[in-house]
Amino acid sequence: ELKVEQNPLFLSMQEGKNYTIYCNYSTTSDRLYWYRQDPGKSLESLFVLLSNGAVKQEGRLMASLDTKARLSTLHITAAVHDLSATYFCAVDNTGNQFYFGTGTSLTVIP
Amino acid sequence: DTGVSQDPRHKITKRGQNVTFRCDPISEHNRLYWYRQTLGQGPEFLTYFQNEAQLEKSRLLSDRFSAERPKGSFSTLEIQRTEQGDSAMYLCASSLGGGAPLEQYFGPGTRLTVT
Repeated sequence: ELKVEQNPLFLSMQEGKNYTIYCNYSTTSDRLYWYRQDPGKSLESLFVLLSNGAVKQEGRLMASLDTKARLSTLHITAAVHDLSATYFCAVDNTGNQFYFGTGTSLTVIP
Repeated sequence: DTGVSQDPRHKITKRGQNVTFRCDPISEHNRLYWYRQTLGQGPEFLTYFQNEAQLEKSRLLSDRFSAERPKGSFSTLEIQRTEQGDSAMYLCASSLGGGAPLEQYFGPGTRLTVT
């Protein structure tokens, strides 16, 4: 079974600081997804990374994928309070079954 | 609203009762997924439909769980003889198939509490 690990699981950071969330997965896949979940809400798609070396940016968030290392990163630049949420990465094996990490709970402190 | 919808949003049931949840995907999406999420965990895959065909089912899924997608439109997830361990958020997601990047759009979820 495909395993997806995220670290850190909990992250508390001050506004204006930078940080990176890591997502490792256990088997070959060229597709990786990042989602955001606010408390009590459903998941919102952030990024879809489809190939080795893919990099996508939206506002203060940038995601990258290294399929050879089986690693994706989600970089946060100059964090603001609105970014407080839980972030999940997910990998699919064939498009039929998706495996999610345990999530990184991010709290941005003013 | 053209997003994924789920009904009901909350369900409280007594142990041993049967429950059924409904998911209406985005109309042009042919792929539909069901997940279960417990507190502090990521979504856990339950099953996947492409059109009306159920193509994948988690090995962890008990025989008490069954899902259907008649006519390839809405889907239902039924849990028979509920147990307290079934308490969770049940999420539905849909996506385009074919050459699309398979980005999933999630519904608001159905929160099940088994007492």
